[in-house]
Amino acid sequence: GAVVSQHPSWVICKSGTSVKIECRSLDFQATTMFWYRQFPKQSLMLMATSNEGSKATYEQGVEKDKFLINHASLTLSTLTVTSAHPEDSSFYICSARDTRRGANSPLHFGNGTRLTVT
Amino acid sequence: AQSVTQPDIHITVSEGASLELRCNYSYGATPYLFWYVQSPGQGLQLLLKYFSGDTLVQGIKGFEAEFKRSQSSFNLRKPSVHWSDAAEYFCAVGATNFGNEKLTFGTGTRLTIIP
Repeated sequence: GAVVSQHPSWVICKSGTSVKIECRSLDFQATTMFWYRQFPKQSLMLMATSNEGSKATYEQGVEKDKFLINHASLTLSTLTVTSAHPEDSSFYICSARDTRRGANSPLHFGNGTRLTVT
Repeated sequence: AQSVTQPDIHITVSEGASLELRCNYSYGATPYLFWYVQSPGQGLQLLLKYFSGDTLVQGIKGFEAEFKRSQSSFNLRKPSVHWSDAAEYFCAVGATNFGNEKLTFGTGTRLTIIP
């Protein structure tokens, strides 16, 4: 079945540094990927929609300059948390849909990335 | 705007007992409804979906859910739970069936299974 791979699965970084998270669709192409953030014991909140070859669409309240999204190919989207601070510590999850299967194809979720900023 | 309410934060069930997880939604048009399961530190796995037709939908792992428009509900059920069902369960509503539109998730229900 379709698989979405996220890397790394967990990362610890120092405050002020930047961290890049990768989301790959392993056996399908995805013109659109979604990035979510999940705080402990809370639901997933959509941060942005990543569009291949164009700018990402950010949800209200999400800082574009802080959470940089790049979707340079049909199988890879990256989320870079710039100048990370402890309040950015969270669980980040991506999802993608097989573009060739059309609107009826389900979203496939990655296993998430646990970010801890010290 | 669409919204989802999962009234139960945590439910504990004995292995072999039946299960029902509640989900209420708010949406101005015909909703597209989903149940996902999340194991600790993992992503989400789709259990089942509803977008039209039979209001009782069957999913994977023996789960089913019933769409009740009059109650704005989409409760998840399983007749006999297994220890491996312990996880976090999320109900979600979308504007279209699987489309690029945003999914709105509920806050989740954590399921604990006791022997």
